[in-house]
Amino acid sequence: DQQVKQNSPSLSVQEGRISILNCDYTNSMFDYFLWYKKYPAEGPTFLISISSIKDKNEDGRFTVFLNKSAKHLSLHIVPSQPGDSAVYFCAASARVSGGGADGLTFGKGTHLIIQP
Amino acid sequence: DAGITQSPRHKVTETGTPVTLRCHQTENHRYMYWYRQDPGHGLRLIHYSYGVKDTDKGEVSDGYSVSRSKTEDFLLTLESATSSQTSVYFCATSLGGDQPQHFGDGTRLSIL
Repeated sequence: DQQVKQNSPSLSVQEGRISILNCDYTNSMFDYFLWYKKYPAEGPTFLISISSIKDKNEDGRFTVFLNKSAKHLSLHIVPSQPGDSAVYFCAASARVSGGGADGLTFGKGTHLIIQP
Repeated sequence: DAGITQSPRHKVTETGTPVTLRCHQTENHRYMYWYRQDPGHGLRLIHYSYGVKDTDKGEVSDGYSVSRSKTEDFLLTLESATSSQTSVYFCATSLGGDQPQHFGDGTRLSIL
């Protein structure tokens, strides 16, 4: 049973426009959420995170929104650039109940393609 | 990233042979993790460590063991490799708390 779901395997966006990547989760114990970006043959790179006590976190062109009642989060990238083309993973952990070890549960990823 | 080195980067071996993957970090992070990535599954947690000689199982731990005798090294062992363990393996480290996990570049393991 998938606890973190990314329902769009791929997304194509024009350069300069906004990219919106979505993620849903089912485990109500999750209290910390992260987005990672991954290029082929490399490890995932951390982008941005959000704690369940917040509903928004911003870092430069990247903003993550959390809607706890809907168990939904989204990553906004504005403006989108060619270098943003990659696979994006949503991840979650239950930090409080997990005792701080923070094993992450990942979605399957969304392949973002930025069109020139 | 975060001074994480995985070795080897690529390995091809036969069913039934033992395999050990190594993760080495230079950041003195307390927590270390092993994940595997397979098509259609994202990354899944195999085992993790919360200190020297302190380890625990993750979601897909069957067929794997780990050891951590030093802060900087976390070893993943497949005692008798099977074809279902063909995958890309990622190591990650973290300071814990509000800090995210940082990943190595992976080991591509093929078991024939």
